Amino acid sequence: GENVEQHPSTLSVQEGDSAVIKCTYSDSASNYFPWYKQELGKGPQLIIDIRSNVGEKKDQRIAVTLNKTAKHFSLHITETQPEDSAVYFCAASTGQAGTALIFGKGTTLSVSS
Amino acid sequence: DTEVTQTPKHLVMGMTNKKSLKCEQHMGHRAMYWYKQKAKKPPELMFVYSYEKLSINESVPSRFSPECPNSSLLNLHLHALQPEDSALYLCASSFRPIQGPSYEQYFGPGTRLTVT
Repeated sequence: GENVEQHPSTLSVQEGDSAVIKCTYSDSASNYFPWYKQELGKGPQLIIDIRSNVGEKKDQRIAVTLNKTAKHFSLHITETQPEDSAVYFCAASTGQAGTALIFGKGTTLSVSS
Repeated sequence: DTEVTQTPKHLVMGMTNKKSLKCEQHMGHRAMYWYKQKAKKPPELMFVYSYEKLSINESVPSRFSPECPNSSLLNLHLHALQPEDSALYLCASSFRPIQGPSYEQYFGPGTRLTVT
């Protein structure tokens, strides 16, 4: 079945710096790759996603890139702010009609001011 | 609006109790999900409902019993749980076309369950 590896597990940056989180997946049939942000005591929040027919997608300070050949995708956050501090999860679709998501183990991002 | 609501927010139950978790969405989504999340771990899929029918059961023990009474509601009935079942239980929903895959899943805030 699908396996998603996520690195790094923790990331500390200064406010204004960029942050990059990387994920690799194993199932070449996966075609949808969302990123979630989870703050303490809350459910995961979908922040950006990408489908396998697209190489890059950007939404203000957040961007995601996908390399299907290498089976890896990355989250880029520019001009980080303290409120970006949270746990970030990548995921890949799998299973029947792509309805199931397999999550990476998460990255704890800390942005200090 | 991409809101999924879950009740209760917190639940403490003994191993002999029977309780239910509830999830509701009014986005017209026809796919609904239950996930379990342990502390400092990613969400793990438990069940998927598609058009009110159970389509995926990830080998979840029978002490967890899902129910989808209509297209807006999803329940998780709990009975004879173990302390290791203590976790955050998350509900999610997504648009489910008749043909083709589902994509964006929107999560609720979760129910924090403690089994004593």
